[in-house]
Amino acid sequence: EAGVAQSPRYKIIEKRQSVAFWCNPISGHATLYWYQQILGQGPKLLIQFQNNGVVDDSQLPKDRFSAERLKGVDSTLKIQPAKLEDSAVYLCASSLDMNYGYTFGSGTRLTVV
Amino acid sequence: AQSVTQLGSHVSVSEGALVLLRCNYSSSVPPYLFWYVQYPNQGLQLLLKYTSAATLVKGINGFEAEFKKSETSFHLTKPSAHMSDAAEYFCAVRGNNAGNMLTFGGGTRLMVKP
Repeated sequence: EAGVAQSPRYKIIEKRQSVAFWCNPISGHATLYWYQQILGQGPKLLIQFQNNGVVDDSQLPKDRFSAERLKGVDSTLKIQPAKLEDSAVYLCASSLDMNYGYTFGSGTRLTVV
Repeated sequence: AQSVTQLGSHVSVSEGALVLLRCNYSSSVPPYLFWYVQYPNQGLQLLLKYTSAATLVKGINGFEAEFKKSETSFHLTKPSAHMSDAAEYFCAVRGNNAGNMLTFGGGTRLMVKP
């Protein structure tokens, strides 16, 4: 089966600019997650979707971050405006149900200069 | 609430030696536990998972982990390290309630010396 697709692979922007990341989960996976992984740390959950509804966005900095999954399939994560501390790898993952581990995409490495 | 602590941010072993990566968890509900591996510039790949069946779990690439409830531990082991095992390893916990998300530890970088 095809894996979780993410794009772009790399992105460099200046602070205060905006950026968007795209994720297409594995077909049939109802649950989709966005994680932020800062260099040297473990991934931290930003937002969790179940189909097109938000399950948990308690750790999403909502003043600058937004995410949507309008049709319950692919998802977009946006940052506006970006700060230097947003430099990280943004990982998307999807899951069939709670008995399985997540399948992660390769991530988008964001550098804010 | 749930959390994961990985003891040792860096572990170095010689090729052929035993690999032991430590993970302790806390969870308010019975946990599901996972180990992931991350190679440079790649996403996370599932090594193995514990979902309340057998306490000794075997994964890919010769790795295994044992769930010890009394010690709240889920340490990862491999009898003989290979150069290709050099990577970052993450332990993660997830409550077995619907909607619970995966919480990761800080990671352990495994280095394998020839």
